[in-house]
Amino acid sequence: EIVLTQSPGTLSLSPGERATLSCRASQSVSANYVAWYQQRPGQAPRLLLYGTSNRATGIPDRFTGSGSGTDFSLTITRLEAEDFTVYYCQHYGGSPLVTFGGGTKVEIK
Amino acid sequence: QVRLQEWGAGLLKPSETLSLTCSVSGGSFTENYWAWLRQFPGRGLEWIGEIHHGGITDYNPSLKSRVSITWSTSKRQFALRLSSVTAADTAIYYCARLMISGYINVWGQGTTVTVSS
Repeated sequence: EIVLTQSPGTLSLSPGERATLSCRASQSVSANYVAWYQQRPGQAPRLLLYGTSNRATGIPDRFTGSGSGTDFSLTITRLEAEDFTVYYCQHYGGSPLVTFGGGTKVEIK
Repeated sequence: QVRLQEWGAGLLKPSETLSLTCSVSGGSFTENYWAWLRQFPGRGLEWIGEIHHGGITDYNPSLKSRVSITWSTSKRQFALRLSSVTAADTAIYYCARLMISGYINVWGQGTTVTVSS
């Protein structure tokens, strides 16, 4: 099983600052099959990025993704008020077919 | 635009069978991959399984002995059954569309299932 470990668990930042969220896989994975989601309280997750760096429809360009092998990251260049919430990385293709990281909460400092 | 709506019993007793249905509106039904996922209290997300292409299924090995996903193309619905539930199955259950490249771009609103005696 491919395990995704997200760090940090909580990130305390101020609006306007840059956030960098990490997702580490327990073994090398294809960048084609790594995605990131945002989840606000009481809502279902929302797709942000797929294929490591492709923004989903309607996602602003302050959200960028990068990585390869076992290390992937989501960067939010300038945090806005609505960005303070929880983010998950996800991989497709192992067993089980879909796995998620444990999430990173971005909170207001 | 694809929209998903799930429903089913929200309160179960241990050993009962969880049964949820997801209705799909918009888009192609038979050409997509449809999935069930759940989210435990405290955040963790878990993939339960999927169905696609003529009813082919793939399940999370940890649940395979208890889970069944079926679909009705005429009703544009797919369903989840999870047998012998315990308190550990308490979660928010989501139906979703899984793209062939492995990401989920449509989610239902989620339905809470609680298992308690």
